[in-house]
Amino acid sequence: GAGVSQSPSNKVTEKGKDVELRCDPISGHTALYWYRQRLGQGLEFLIYFQGNSAPDKSGLPSDRFSAERTGESVSTLTIQRTQQEDSAVYLCASSFELGFYEQYFGPGTRLTVT
Amino acid sequence: AQRVTQPEKLLSVFKGAPVELKCNYSYSGSPELFWYVQYSRQRLQLLLRHISRESIKGFTADLNKGETSFHLKKPFAQEEDSAMYYCALSGSNYQLIWGAGTKLIIKP
Repeated sequence: GAGVSQSPSNKVTEKGKDVELRCDPISGHTALYWYRQRLGQGLEFLIYFQGNSAPDKSGLPSDRFSAERTGESVSTLTIQRTQQEDSAVYLCASSFELGFYEQYFGPGTRLTVT
Repeated sequence: AQRVTQPEKLLSVFKGAPVELKCNYSYSGSPELFWYVQYSRQRLQLLLRHISRESIKGFTADLNKGETSFHLKKPFAQEEDSAMYYCALSGSNYQLIWGAGTKLIIKP
């Protein structure tokens, strides 16, 4: 494909609402990663998928966060009962396989919780 | 604990001057280290990785295990090098652990 895409590009939501963020990886990439970047900070790893399996969910900040992936395609990151501290840019990346392969990043979704 | 530290939030140098972006890491095993770059209004992208030992856009980075550093260097900065630079470490569980980033500004 043309690259990793993410939608929406911007999302403003009220505190307490649920949001769903979408990531379309590069076709053929088996590994997919979600990161969070708060203003002025580095990227915070959230979760990775190998195929549709997420073996380690310990990076998710709380049980309000969940993620799923359909086969080796689209992934969604869902945040329930959003809080103001969830405001950040959420980045998705994909790579050919897990391991030390280059990660290709999407443009990110900027989430603002008011 | 696994950690990546980039001590400079902002680095400003004149065009043609040498550039060194510092990165220090903390990792108990044998690390794989990367530099990623984000140019204005563009996506984050890989600049170079320790394992390939290559020079990209004139940049090089040498892993110094004794000093636990992976500093990024370029002998003569160009205006197009202005960007955010992130150092990252690949840990044992496929996570990339990131530094906070350094904003590089090249003055004409």
